[in-house]
Amino acid sequence: NAGVTQTPKFQVLKTGQSMTLQCAQDMNHNSMYWYRQDPGMGLRLIYYSASEGTTDKGEVPNGYNVSRLNKREFSLRLESAAPSQTSVYFCASSEPLKRRVDSGYTFGSGTRLTVV
Amino acid sequence: QKEVEQDPGPLSVPEGAIVSLNCTYSNSAFQYFMWYRQYSRKGPELLMYTYSSGNKEDGRFTAQVDKSSKYISLFIRDSQPSDSATYLCAMSSEDKLVFGAGTILRVKS
Repeated sequence: NAGVTQTPKFQVLKTGQSMTLQCAQDMNHNSMYWYRQDPGMGLRLIYYSASEGTTDKGEVPNGYNVSRLNKREFSLRLESAAPSQTSVYFCASSEPLKRRVDSGYTFGSGTRLTVV
Repeated sequence: QKEVEQDPGPLSVPEGAIVSLNCTYSNSAFQYFMWYRQYSRKGPELLMYTYSSGNKEDGRFTAQVDKSSKYISLFIRDSQPSDSATYLCAMSSEDKLVFGAGTILRVKS
């Protein structure tokens, strides 16, 4: 099925550990995004990539890095995990909204990360 | 002040009720407006979209945008238990969507 695939689905880290969240889409979308979702805060943009080879900071980029490996893959790295990074992380992809507003963003199923 | 404000609820209604969900925003440049539905432990899915002002209807769902008041609404008619989910408004001037906090809706049978 076409869509956005995120791995892993669950992860528990100790403070200071590092990890990479993987995201891949097979819809040939140019734009990809990483959001975090916390209770009462909605979805907040961490980083986005408008096209292969470009990345930009979103609203809450501190403590994270990203890599747009190719058009399909966009990874999010936590170099030194902190308890404040406990959250649900969502990857999404899209076409430019002015061209395909009817399809919006397609989201993955999320990664539940706990930092202890 | 957040760019997009949405009452997180929870909102609890009986089956068959009309539900009204709302968001306000501050950025007058927003022109794309969307509603996403998110079931528990799932990713958000696009439910409705509108471009600029006006109304849009799809089955039991109606989305309204009032740009003069910076106010958007989602109406659900004849609500069903299967409508129980979190509803997130989202809006953008270009490609980066800004999301509201989401409203938890519970429809009781």
